[in-house]
Amino acid sequence: AQSVSQHNHHVILSEAASLELGCNYSYGGTVNLFWYVQYPGQHLQLLLKYFSGDPLVKGIKGFEAEFIKSKFSFNLRKPSVQWSDTAEYFCAVEGNNRLAFGKGNQVVVIP
Amino acid sequence: GAGVSQSPSNKVTEKGKDVELRCDPISGHTALYWYRQSLGQGLEFLIYFQGNSAPDKSGLPSDRFSAERTGGSVSTLTIQRTQQEDSAVYLCASSLSGSGIDTQYFGPGTRLTVL
Repeated sequence: AQSVSQHNHHVILSEAASLELGCNYSYGGTVNLFWYVQYPGQHLQLLLKYFSGDPLVKGIKGFEAEFIKSKFSFNLRKPSVQWSDTAEYFCAVEGNNRLAFGKGNQVVVIP
Repeated sequence: GAGVSQSPSNKVTEKGKDVELRCDPISGHTALYWYRQSLGQGLEFLIYFQGNSAPDKSGLPSDRFSAERTGGSVSTLTIQRTQQEDSAVYLCASSLSGSGIDTQYFGPGTRLTVL
């Protein structure tokens, strides 16, 4: 079965700071990777996904993620965060007809 | 509708009662998923429906949990004899074909509280 590890569950940073959230996965099959975001009071929505091709994936709102196969990683980055990026971020790996999610990163951006 | 809808948005019940949670997927999506989100366990897969095929029930935590999908559209998750550990947010998602690269679109969830 697939699994995902996310570290630094609570992240607090100031506006304009850079953000990087780590994601490591474990899965023996074809890797399809996702980052979802949950803004306060809203439902989960897709930020970006990787399934093949260029390992550097660009998503919405200036986010990007890099798939590094040798490190089993899919880290999320944003060069300059805004207050509106305050949210919970979930990394997920697809396999066996389901998503396996990490525990999430609670990110708070201070104006 | 434009997105996945779920009802009710909140449900408070007493221990031992049965509850039904409903999900309306995005029109035209053949795949439907149920997950639950709780503080201790994070987001966990429960069950997967694809078209008219038999569902993948491997994520259901006990035989008190069951789900059905009628006419390949609306789905109902039923929890019998609810326990306090069933308290969680139950999320429904749908995708176009169930392919591994498809995006799963999530609904707003049903927050279940078992007293």
